[in-house]
Amino acid sequence: GQNIDQPTEMTATEGAIVQINCTYQTSGFNGLFWYQQHAGEAPTFLSYNVLDGLEEKGRFSSFLSRSKGYSYLLLKELQMKDSASYLCAVLYNQGGKLIFGQGTELSVKP
Amino acid sequence: GAVVSQHPSRVICKSGTSVKIECRSLDFQATTMFWYRQFPKQSLMLMATSNEGSKATYEQGVEKDKFLINHASLTLSTLTVTSAHPEDSSFYICSPGLAGVTEQFFGPGTRLTVL
Repeated sequence: GQNIDQPTEMTATEGAIVQINCTYQTSGFNGLFWYQQHAGEAPTFLSYNVLDGLEEKGRFSSFLSRSKGYSYLLLKELQMKDSASYLCAVLYNQGGKLIFGQGTELSVKP
Repeated sequence: GAVVSQHPSRVICKSGTSVKIECRSLDFQATTMFWYRQFPKQSLMLMATSNEGSKATYEQGVEKDKFLINHASLTLSTLTVTSAHPEDSSFYICSPGLAGVTEQFFGPGTRLTVL
């Protein structure tokens, strides 16, 4: 199957750290993406993981465990502008076909 | 990164009319284009994959006769929603399939509202 699960919504405080989890069951796994999407806009790329481990990019980090079918996106030093939907997507094959999770709506409170 | 444009950005139409959405790759050639739609408060769902010079492949549950896809050139793919109904109101987004590229780009999206 290609079930990709992530929490529907999360709330965090400005300046804090939040971890958004994603689990997947998919054959032909070829990488995992995290995207940020603000209301009414197209998704913007955050990170890509294909090997196990942690990828760090500024305030955002993404982790992958292929054996566990698990990834998380870590956001540090949260800012109000980080309030958005965060989408986990699995690359199905090298052709670029992405299967998306339902997205996690993150609300950052002052 | 790759630049992708979509036109129109917003369209409102009456039920029963057809709407064409264009997706252009501005600085590269895309042999493959993925079309997604997103209903409010939901994630992106892949509708179909268009391939330049050949027929598109549709995901299960997507009517190929209702959502016509044309990929006549390496820089233009179009999605036509035929006989649109209110339930077709959605956000339609295209994304080029770029071999060997690990960052997937998306067009800015087209918001379709069918009255």
